[in-house]
Amino acid sequence: DSGVTQTPKHLITATGQRVTLRCSPRSGDLSVYWYQQSLDQGLQFLIQYYNGEERAKGNILERFSAQQFPDLHSELNLSSLELGDSALYFCASSVGKFTGELFFGEGSRLTVL
Amino acid sequence: GIQVEQSPPDLILQEGANSTLRCNFSDSVNNLQWFHQNPWGQLINLFYIPSGTKQNGRLSATTVATERYSLLYISSSQTTDSGVYFCAVKANQAGTALIFGKGTTLSVSS
Repeated sequence: DSGVTQTPKHLITATGQRVTLRCSPRSGDLSVYWYQQSLDQGLQFLIQYYNGEERAKGNILERFSAQQFPDLHSELNLSSLELGDSALYFCASSVGKFTGELFFGEGSRLTVL
Repeated sequence: GIQVEQSPPDLILQEGANSTLRCNFSDSVNNLQWFHQNPWGQLINLFYIPSGTKQNGRLSATTVATERYSLLYISSSQTTDSGVYFCAVKANQAGTALIFGKGTTLSVSS
């Protein structure tokens, strides 16, 4: 158990819909990261928050948005879903802003039909 | 951005065999991690090793930062070692993130 909690574990929805994925970091970790793993793209970095502020941005689509709340949990919002958004979405956390070991949650598997 | 290359892409072993997985990266790093993704999709931390050598049971890892590569050694393979092994690196620059290689898929048969 990494200490990073993600919900839901599985989600099935239809094209055009909107979903929210939730992540609680390890106790004491201030950074939260979101990654997407799909068969054709591998593990792709989406976005990082540190203590509520955006710190780094990857190839995150405009239809996707994220935020980190004062209690340090984070949410990833995916809207206008397409078939290609079906993937495993991971959240990770670390103590530091720029470096340090990342620990990953078990992921949220999204299926868009 | 930083590039990460892992080799070999696939590896098939008999139980009890040893193996070496390699990770090459294109820039100086302040983070390098090895992960094992099991058949259920979980990413398990193996090593946090931006430089030096570490050992954990049958697994060990070495990172030679000056030459921009890392090696993961698996000795006496077991069927439970099967899965995908990822190397991930973070460039030594603010605003960058941990970037994953494409992985090495290991299959260990009994």
